Formats: sequence, C-alpha cells, structure tokens
Amino acid sequence: AQTVTQSQPEMSVQEAETVTLSCTYDTSESDYYLFWYKQPPSRQMILVIRQEAYKQQNATENRFSVNFQKAAKSFSLKISDSQLGDAAMYFCAYRSARGGTASKLTFGTGTRLQVTL
Amino acid sequence: DGGITQSPKYLFRKEGQNVTLSCEQNLNHDAMYWYRQDPGQGLRLIYYSQIVNDFQKGDIAEGYSVSREKKESFPLTVTSAQKNPTAFYLCASSTQGTGGTGELFFGEGSRLTVL
Repeated sequence: AQTVTQSQPEMSVQEAETVTLSCTYDTSESDYYLFWYKQPPSRQMILVIRQEAYKQQNATENRFSVNFQKAAKSFSLKISDSQLGDAAMYFCAYRSARGGTASKLTFGTGTRLQVTL
Repeated sequence: DGGITQSPKYLFRKEGQNVTLSCEQNLNHDAMYWYRQDPGQGLRLIYYSQIVNDFQKGDIAEGYSVSREKKESFPLTVTSAQKNPTAFYLCASSTQGTGGTGELFFGEGSRLTVL
C-alpha cells in the first residue's frame, strides 16, 4: 500500500519570505500523480499544485512550485513571497494513475503553516 | 457552477442514532469518495465508488454504510456501530481511468458531533 509522510507538523514563515514543506511517499508504481492541497480555516480543500510522475519538469503555479525527486520519492512544496492568506494546513497526496480500485487518494497527516508579519 | 454539495454542514446526533450525510455532484464524475478528518491524522478513506451501484470499502469502513443509486449522489450513513463518529467528513469526486487530471474535487464538508 502506498504511504505519504509529512514530517513537519507545523512550520512558520514571515510574510514575503520563502518556505518549503516536505513530503515523502512510498510506492512500487512508476506512473502516478502527486498533489498539494491547502485547507484554510474554512476547511475547504483547495488544490494548490499537481505533478504527473512521468514529467521530469517540476510543476509551478504562480508563487507555488515543487521539487519532485522521483528516485528519492520526495515531493516538496516551495511557497515564495509568502502572504497572510497562505496560512493553512497543507496536505501532500498520492494517487495511482492506473485508475480503477487504485484511484483513491492517499494523504499525509498535514503541515500547519503559520505566516507572521 | 459545477461542484460538490454536502449537507448538512453541522449535525448533532445522540448516541445510538444513525445519521446520513448527503453528497451531490454535478461535475459528471464517475468516481466519488468519502473521507474522515480527525486532528493530527489527515484524511482517511471511508468508502469510494467508481460507478453507479458499486462501491468499495476504504481504510476505515467499519460503522459506516453507503449507496450509489445515481451517478450524482453518494450518501454516507454513520451507524450506531461507529464507536467514535465525531469528526469532519469530506466528500469528493473525480474522473475515472487514466484520463483527466487525476485530482479530486472536494465539497465543503460536514461536521458531525455526537452528544
């Protein structure tokens, strides 16, 4: 079974600074998706960024980028120019690309990000 | 607007009562999921369904039941057999197979409190 590990329960960053959230995963598959979801106090899960495992290029969405190291099974999220609105729980998640019964999303335990002035 | 609607947002239940959480989607997605969220444990999969009239147990299915009679709807019943039902419940949907973007789309969640 796949597992996703987020080793940082809490992180803090000053406004306008850069922070990196860590995620590692375990799988025997070669084709899969990786995601970072944000959960603000409203508790709505919002997709931040996705990465297809077959793509070597790291995904980027505005201030958010990932460092995807397939061999190391590592998928970290970098937030640049942090803003107060970035304060939230961040979840790393894995999904097999095979579909069918493998289509469920497996989540890490989350990292709570605080943004200070 | 396409999306996922969960109701109710807040629900209180007495011990020993069954309660049903509603989840409706108009995204035309084949797959639907129910997750439970507890502090410090992330999201854990309760049940999921890939097509109408079919569903599979997730990691923590005991004390829960589901049905999938329509593509748009995937209600979750929390039964009296669930020992610790107080939690936040999230419903999600996605496309199936190898097409699409692979992501799950989530509803706004339902908070269940057992008194």
